[in-house]
Amino acid sequence: SQELEQSPQSLIVQEGKNLTINCTSSKTLYGLYWYKQKYGEGLIFLMMLQKGGEEKSHEKITAKLDEKKQQSSLHITASQPSHAGIYLCGADNAGSNYQLIWGAGTKLIIKP
Amino acid sequence: DAEITQSPRHKITETGRQVTLACHQTWNHNNMFWYRQDLGHGLRLIHYSYGVQDTNKGEVSDGYSVSRSNTEDLPLTLESAASSQTSVYFCASSRTSGGLDTGELFFGEGSRLTVL
Repeated sequence: SQELEQSPQSLIVQEGKNLTINCTSSKTLYGLYWYKQKYGEGLIFLMMLQKGGEEKSHEKITAKLDEKKQQSSLHITASQPSHAGIYLCGADNAGSNYQLIWGAGTKLIIKP
Repeated sequence: DAEITQSPRHKITETGRQVTLACHQTWNHNNMFWYRQDLGHGLRLIHYSYGVQDTNKGEVSDGYSVSRSNTEDLPLTLESAASSQTSVYFCASSRTSGGLDTGELFFGEGSRLTVL
């Protein structure tokens, strides 16, 4: 079965610094989704990547999917306290967006 | 505004009791999902539904059941709660577009269940 591995598990970053979170799949991804979870709340959709080499940006967050469609990275530029939370990647299972397989999440703490 | 709500947000129960977690969405989405979130495991799919009267088992469905009598609601029932079911439960919904759409799931705020 497909597995998603996220790294690092947790990250403490000084405010203003850049950071990268990775999501690696054991199989080719049909679609890769990034979500953010604030502590004690539900998940908020950030971006979806489908094509090899695709890159999307939203404000200061950029996500990329590699050419082989097995690894995605989420990059935050000039981090802010509002970026703190848990970032999860989800993979489209067998071409259906109705069921996603999830990574374990990366906990991001921003130090002022 | 359309939304998805879960209740209760916090629940403490005893082993062996039946527990029902409610999920209500006002987006008129066909697809609804129940996940549990545990440290180190991320989100795991419990049950899902593609429409009224449709229910399907997910990855970790043992000990859980759902029913879909209307579009808006997908209650999750733990027939006989066990300590291993202590977790945070998330309900989510998404629309059907006949193909791969934005992949956007709309999540509730979660229900924290403790089984003693």
